[in-house]
Amino acid sequence: DAGITQSPRHKVTETGTPVTLRCHQTENHRYMYWYRQDPGHGLRLIHYSYGVKDTDKGEVSDGYSVSRSKTEDFLLTLESATSSQTSVYFCAISETSSSGSWDNEQFFGPGTRLTVL
Amino acid sequence: QKEVEQNSGPLSVPEGAIASLNCTYSDRGSQSFFWYRQYSGKSPELIMFIYSNGDKEDGRFTAQLNKASQYVSLLIRDSQPSDSATYLCAVKSNQFYFGTGTSLTVIP
Repeated sequence: DAGITQSPRHKVTETGTPVTLRCHQTENHRYMYWYRQDPGHGLRLIHYSYGVKDTDKGEVSDGYSVSRSKTEDFLLTLESATSSQTSVYFCAISETSSSGSWDNEQFFGPGTRLTVL
Repeated sequence: QKEVEQNSGPLSVPEGAIASLNCTYSDRGSQSFFWYRQYSGKSPELIMFIYSNGDKEDGRFTAQLNKASQYVSLLIRDSQPSDSATYLCAVKSNQFYFGTGTSLTVIP
């Protein structure tokens, strides 16, 4: 998985509780992403980071926050989990191309299956 | 309208045949196009990327891009049972957008 780990791999929690998912990379890649994958919707971008302390919102960012204090770690937090946030969460990384664009391919972590009861 | 559309399938082909997977996208400014393979319960893995109009070949895989028609396709030649998976099309415009995937089954 290109030096990407996610923790925990599985989590069951209750509505209203805070949850933090961790993504850790050993590739020293600049860009990191959080996606959720749901049947009928495919992969949807939640937030992404283009450097330490530099983050931006994706397509489905409501109810989620992120932080990146080190190059290798990208945290996704659900401040107050809801049943609609039950999903499989994938972290991905990519690197800048020699031209400076960020179109390079993404590599995905193993995923975290989150169930909110 | 979704940013990226794929036929969800399932698509079934006999072993040794050519599998053809299609994808359309809505943003004409899209710059980069990717095909990922995802086995059940696993994470997506990159198969190919293409940036320019035309064909790009890598082993048994060929990606085809037609920006005028906003259409990307993936051909898998000599399909093998191990190719049975869900194939995701991804497009980079202002951010990355993924299709919902096409399920492919290769029948021995």
